[in-house]
Amino acid sequence: EAGVAQSPRYKIIEKRQSVAFWCNPISGHATLYWYQQILGQGPKLLIQFQNNGVVDDSQLPKDRFSAERLKGVDSTLKIQPAKLEDSAVYLCASSLISGRRNEQFFGPGTRLTVL
Amino acid sequence: DAKTTQPPSMDCAEGRAANLPCNHSTISGNEYVYWYRQIHSQGPQYIIHGLKNNETNEMASLIITEDRKSSTLILPHAPLRDTAVYYCIVTPRSGSARQLTFGSGTQLTVLP
Repeated sequence: EAGVAQSPRYKIIEKRQSVAFWCNPISGHATLYWYQQILGQGPKLLIQFQNNGVVDDSQLPKDRFSAERLKGVDSTLKIQPAKLEDSAVYLCASSLISGRRNEQFFGPGTRLTVL
Repeated sequence: DAKTTQPPSMDCAEGRAANLPCNHSTISGNEYVYWYRQIHSQGPQYIIHGLKNNETNEMASLIITEDRKSSTLILPHAPLRDTAVYYCIVTPRSGSARQLTFGSGTQLTVLP
């Protein structure tokens, strides 16, 4: 079974530039999450989708971050404009809506460096 | 969600059991204990979860105290590849997918 795919794996940009990350979840997983992981910390949830609707975006800095999940499958996370403090690994995860283990499956992440 | 407390780092000899503690003294009756691990440069990976009974799977065992205020993840005969950050998370589990609130975790280093 294919896992969660993310691209690109690495991205280096200058502050004030824009960047977009792409995620393809495991087939059949209706729930999709984006997390931000700053070096030395645990992942922090940015946004949760169920199908193509937003369940929780309370921790998403909406003045510069946006995310969409058209057609309830792939998702894109965008930062515009980027700040130095946005340097982090951005992780995408997916899960079934309900299941015995309620397990989230994570992709490898995109490492963003803002100069 | 309840907050968890874990030691920042631990060492373990290769082939020996690793016992990782977690304190969750404010856990509610409907909250489960989940363990994930994150190997360097990878995304977190589910290990095991439990409510109040001890659990075992092919990766690890989870021991939850009777009052549910703490738990221990046991990795039997830890190989070098078990070196990772281990996260203990408590979260309600209902019919719908639940969010995970990660702390800083425990960096486990398995030494040769």
